[in-house]
Order: sequence, then C-alpha cells, then structure tokens
Amino acid sequence: GAVVSQHPSRVICKSGTSVKIECRSLDFQATTMFWYRQFPKKSLMLMATSNEGSKATYEQGVEKDKFLINHASLTLSTLTVTSAHPEDSSFYICSARDGTDHEQYFGPGTRLTVT
Amino acid sequence: GQNIDQPTEMTATEGAIVQINCTYQTSGFNGLFWYQQHAGEAPTFLSYNVLDGLEEKGRFSSFLSRSKGYSYLLLKELQMKDSASYLCAVMDSNYQLIWGAGTKLIIKP
Repeated sequence: GAVVSQHPSRVICKSGTSVKIECRSLDFQATTMFWYRQFPKKSLMLMATSNEGSKATYEQGVEKDKFLINHASLTLSTLTVTSAHPEDSSFYICSARDGTDHEQYFGPGTRLTVT
Repeated sequence: GQNIDQPTEMTATEGAIVQINCTYQTSGFNGLFWYQQHAGEAPTFLSYNVLDGLEEKGRFSSFLSRSKGYSYLLLKELQMKDSASYLCAVMDSNYQLIWGAGTKLIIKP
C-alpha cells in the first residue's frame, strides 16, 4: 500500500514554456502533499506544503508565482513550473501523508531539463 | 537554527557492517527518519524512531538518543546493492521534515 505516482518521469522543455507535473496517491487519501527539489549530489529541498482544498505554504525563497501548486483533491496535487529557465532544471519529487501517521510516501520523481 | 549533520561519504566492504551517524538540533522533535536513495531515484523509507533505543529490521537497525540529539543507522552483511545515499530527517514541532544532506555509501567488493 501507500503508493505515490508522478507524471511525467522525465520532461525536456524549452526556456520560457510551462511544465505541469502531477502527483497522485494511488491507494490512500493524501491530506498533505509536499513538493521537493533536489539538485545533483544535494539533499532534498522542500519547496512547498499543500493541504487539500487550501493554498500551498511555500518555503522561504521559493517563488509562488513561478511554482504553482494545486491540491484540488485528496489524491492529486500538481506543480506547474511557469516560464521555465535552464536553472529550473532539477529533480522534482512529491511526497504525500495520509494523516494517520507521520510517514511521507515519496513519488518516483520527475527529471526536468530546460533547454 | 535547525541543523542535521551526517558524514558526506563512507566506504565499506561487501559483507561487513557500517554505521552511519546523524546528529541533530531542531525546534521540537516528533521522530527521526532514515531514507535510502539510489542515484536518480526518489527516497525510500527505511526506519522511524521516536523513542530512545534500537529498532531492528532485518539487516538494518536504527538507534536514537533524544537526550544526545543523536541517531545512527547500522547496516549489516553489506551487499553491493546497498550502495546509495542515506538520508537522515527529523520531524520538528510543526511536523515538518528537516533533512540532512545525506551520506553517500560506497560498497567495495
């Protein structure tokens, strides 16, 4: 149980375009979802926390107008990278928590490359 | 400030035992997690400690001392597939995970 999927797994886009990444909890209801970014050989960096039906809470230094997060249902959250630039190229990982325990279940990640 | 410290890299031999240490200073404590992350993949859960002591799960064990702000992950009978990064994370008083930078474990035959 506790499976989280992400789509797409890899995406290459041109600078200036927008990219949407989906995160789904497949067999549980995710009351809270987290979005992380990870640069090569670095630890996970929390970008934002989203609770179903409410606005996401962004970490300091993360531009909320650039990284749009929507958590419209208990099984789906989306991250849209708007007007992507090469420096946005990274590994984006979502995780979800079901509210009954404190463990976060991670999605497989999305490798974004902006050319 | 909040801080998680773990060694950057460790090397061990196949079949041996390795201990990866983690020290932390956080605002509040609601448990400590260890995750394994292979290159290019998302982290996978290994263990959760909220009370002092040793939790054993197969070849992996995790220890916690809350008074010392210290944990370790013990890996026994090392296999080549154990080569990965091991991430220590502490859940603070706001139930937010504070992540260490990870320890890259290299297993040699």
